[in-house]
Amino acid sequence: DSGVTQTPKHLITATGQRVTLRCSPRSGDLSVYWYQQSLDQGLQFLIQYYNGEERAKGNILERFSAQQFPDLHSELNLSSLELGDSALYFCASSPSGTGFFGTEAFFGQGTRLTVV
Amino acid sequence: TQLLEQSPQFLSIQEGENLTVYCNSSSVFSSLQWYRQEPGEGPVLLVTVVTGGEVKKLKRLTFQFGDARKDSSLHITAAQPGDTGLYLCAGYGGGSNYKLTFGKGTLLTVNP
Repeated sequence: DSGVTQTPKHLITATGQRVTLRCSPRSGDLSVYWYQQSLDQGLQFLIQYYNGEERAKGNILERFSAQQFPDLHSELNLSSLELGDSALYFCASSPSGTGFFGTEAFFGQGTRLTVV
Repeated sequence: TQLLEQSPQFLSIQEGENLTVYCNSSSVFSSLQWYRQEPGEGPVLLVTVVTGGEVKKLKRLTFQFGDARKDSSLHITAAQPGDTGLYLCAGYGGGSNYKLTFGKGTLLTVNP
């Protein structure tokens, strides 16, 4: 058990809909990362938050947004869903998100999103 | 954009064999991490290497960071079926580059 909790574990929704994925980081970790994993693209970095502030952005679509709340949990919002958005979405947390060991990431079990 | 290329993409071997997987980039990384991922689970951190030329050993696994901090290798001695999984390398840019970038991974299957 990594200490990172993601909900829901599975999500099936229709095209055009909006969903929210939730992540609770490890106790004490200030940094949260979101990744999308598909068979052909591997783990794609979406976005990173540190202590409530956006710190780094990857290839995140404009239809996607995220935030980190004062209690450090994070949510990833996906809207106007398309078939191609079907993937595993992982949340990871790390102590600080900087430095050699502060970036060591602990992953949740992921949310498997299926868009039909 | 910092990219990490992993090779081979797939590797299927027999129990007891040795193997090496590679992680290469044209970019310099402040540190490099190796993870293992099993089906239906999130990646699990194995090791972090930070110094060019550094070698770390974890039981039968040996990790090396290249002198120029652009590449890394993972060597497994006497592979066991329990080593089966997706091995991912991840590079941390450092400085104001906070991204943790992952390679696509090497899918290792160890047959009994």
